[in-house]
Amino acid sequence: GQQLNQSPQSMFIQEGEDVSMNCTSSSIFNTWLWYKQDPGEGPVLLIALYKAGELTSNGRLTAQFGITRKDSFLNISASIPSDVGIYFCAGPRAGGTSYGKLTFGQGTILTVHP
Amino acid sequence: ETGVTQSPTHLIKTRGQQVTLRCSSQSGHNTVSWYQQALGQGPQFIFQYYREEENGRGNFPPRFSGLQFPNYSSELNVNALELDDSALYLCASSLVSGGGETQYFGPGTRLLVL
Repeated sequence: GQQLNQSPQSMFIQEGEDVSMNCTSSSIFNTWLWYKQDPGEGPVLLIALYKAGELTSNGRLTAQFGITRKDSFLNISASIPSDVGIYFCAGPRAGGTSYGKLTFGQGTILTVHP
Repeated sequence: ETGVTQSPTHLIKTRGQQVTLRCSSQSGHNTVSWYQQALGQGPQFIFQYYREEENGRGNFPPRFSGLQFPNYSSELNVNALELDDSALYLCASSLVSGGGETQYFGPGTRLLVL
């Protein structure tokens, strides 16, 4: 089945540093989604990408949809303590377009030291 | 605050028992998806309900079943619980329309099977 591989698994950074994480797949995805999950909460959508090569920003977050449609990356600039959490990439199952049936990566755990 | 609530927040069961988890979607959302998130993993798609009918299923056995009601609430039922069913169970609601859909996740129910 479809699998999404995220790297790194975890990151420990100082406040103010920039962060980069990525997600790769052996299958093509038509949409890439990036979520953040805080402790005790469900995932919250950060950025959605719809076209190969697309670069989208949301505040300090920037994400890109890889040209091969098999990868995506997420950058966070000037990290702050509230950026702590688990970041997931996700995409519609079996190359579809329904956001309601998603395949998730295993997550990147981000820790920010003040 | 996503407007999606789940109950109970925590639950302890023993192997072989049955469990019912509940989700209350945002008003007007016609689609609900359920996910299982094991510790340290990304969410895994269980199934989706659209207008009270099952609309897609992940790689989960038939002892995982669901219901969706007209009042925007839904249930996940798991029979014959196994130790590996211990996980965080997330529901996500969305409104499927011509413009696409955005999912909103609830905070989850943490199930422990002993």
